[in-house]
Amino acid sequence: AQRVTQPEKLLSVFKGAPVELKCNYSYSGSPELFWYVQYSRQRLQLLLRHISRESIKGFTADLNKGETSFHLKKPFAQEEDSAMYYCALRGSGYSTLTFGKGTMLLVSP
Amino acid sequence: SAVISQKPSRDICQRGTSLTIQCQVDSQVTMMFWYRQQPGQSLTLIATANQGSEATYESGFVIDKFPISRPNLTFSTLTVSNMSPEDSSIYLCSVGGDRAFYNEQFFGPGTRLTVL
Repeated sequence: AQRVTQPEKLLSVFKGAPVELKCNYSYSGSPELFWYVQYSRQRLQLLLRHISRESIKGFTADLNKGETSFHLKKPFAQEEDSAMYYCALRGSGYSTLTFGKGTMLLVSP
Repeated sequence: SAVISQKPSRDICQRGTSLTIQCQVDSQVTMMFWYRQQPGQSLTLIATANQGSEATYESGFVIDKFPISRPNLTFSTLTVSNMSPEDSSIYLCSVGGDRAFYNEQFFGPGTRLTVL
């Protein structure tokens, strides 16, 4: 079975502070990991995926297979980063995503 | 990419009634997915709908409660039958996740259902 755990329901930081949204997963094979974001009044959309090894809107995430983690990081948070963030996993050979419960990020001025 | 629209965007229904949610995609897709997002909870996959075959339901979801239609490659419906307040949720249509979309999954705006 595959599982995604996001331990924090809410993360509140001040503008300019570093941000780390935690994500741990459970999967026996080689998963594909994603971060999805939902801004207020907008639909869920892909932020980044681990295979791309890219930085989107200043966010990065590294897949750590030893710790089975895929934490999302940004060195300096902006107010416009306030949103709901979901970590998601796709197992090899599958097309469906398993989502974590999400973390609400609030960035205050 | 794929642009997905859903109807209705929200509804308030009485216990015991049924609601059919429509999902329209701007391109032909092989698989369409239906998710449920309950308040404070994660997105939970209800079923996968392939055109021309029966939908595949996840554990805990049954066809009698959530019948799905997939008449063509751009359209699907999800019906929430014999509703109870516990069915109050946001229902999301989704497509993608395969090579045609570079493994990215796209989501509709959701249908917010409240059952009284």
